Amino acid sequence: NAGVMQNPRHLVRRRGQEARLRCSPVKGHSHVYWYRQLPEEGLKFMVYLQKENIIDESGMPKERFSAEFPKEGPSILRIQQVVRGDSAAYFCASSPQKGARDTEAFFGQGTRLTVV
Amino acid sequence: KQEVTQIPAALSVPEGENLVLNCSFTDSAIYNLQWFRQDPGKGLTSLLLIQSSQREQTSGRLNASLDKSSGRSTLYIAASQPGDSATYLCAVSGTASKLTFGTGTRLQVML
Repeated sequence: NAGVMQNPRHLVRRRGQEARLRCSPVKGHSHVYWYRQLPEEGLKFMVYLQKENIIDESGMPKERFSAEFPKEGPSILRIQQVVRGDSAAYFCASSPQKGARDTEAFFGQGTRLTVV
Repeated sequence: KQEVTQIPAALSVPEGENLVLNCSFTDSAIYNLQWFRQDPGKGLTSLLLIQSSQREQTSGRLNASLDKSSGRSTLYIAASQPGDSATYLCAVSGTASKLTFGTGTRLQVML
């Protein structure tokens, strides 16, 4: 689990700014998932990506949120025009070739976003 | 829609006690179930993964069981220690490959 690297660990943004959260999966893992944990709530699925493809974005808010996992480089979760309700911990997880269906998912330490 | 419930929401026990955490899920069509530990302000640490074809998994003082047909899993912690204090999360993986989490059990083990 220490292999999933997220940065930054803490991010403060003013309302209306953009937030970019980065996730480097465990080496060799080609499946990346993003989850959000609102204060005092459980983790909620946001999006599932494979290299250069969005597989499932059913948990993503319809506006202002986007995610990518390019062929080279980390996965990026981007939040445009942030609002206070976006304040949460954002976790990235990765799993190997077969995906979370068959194998263990490893989580990063999370990025804690605070919108002021 | 899969829903995962964990009982109790919070638990406080003296050191050395054996304890059981419960997890239930509404849709039995799962591929696996995973137990995690989350310390305050930290990420998730995977504790145990049980495939849908398995009945239980053990790691050290931890034992997790799975009854897929009844939609239940338990995490048994033997001889609890203060270092076990954390929030324990149960999550199931279904056909969509994503994990659905419970809201967790907050455990405090007292000296």
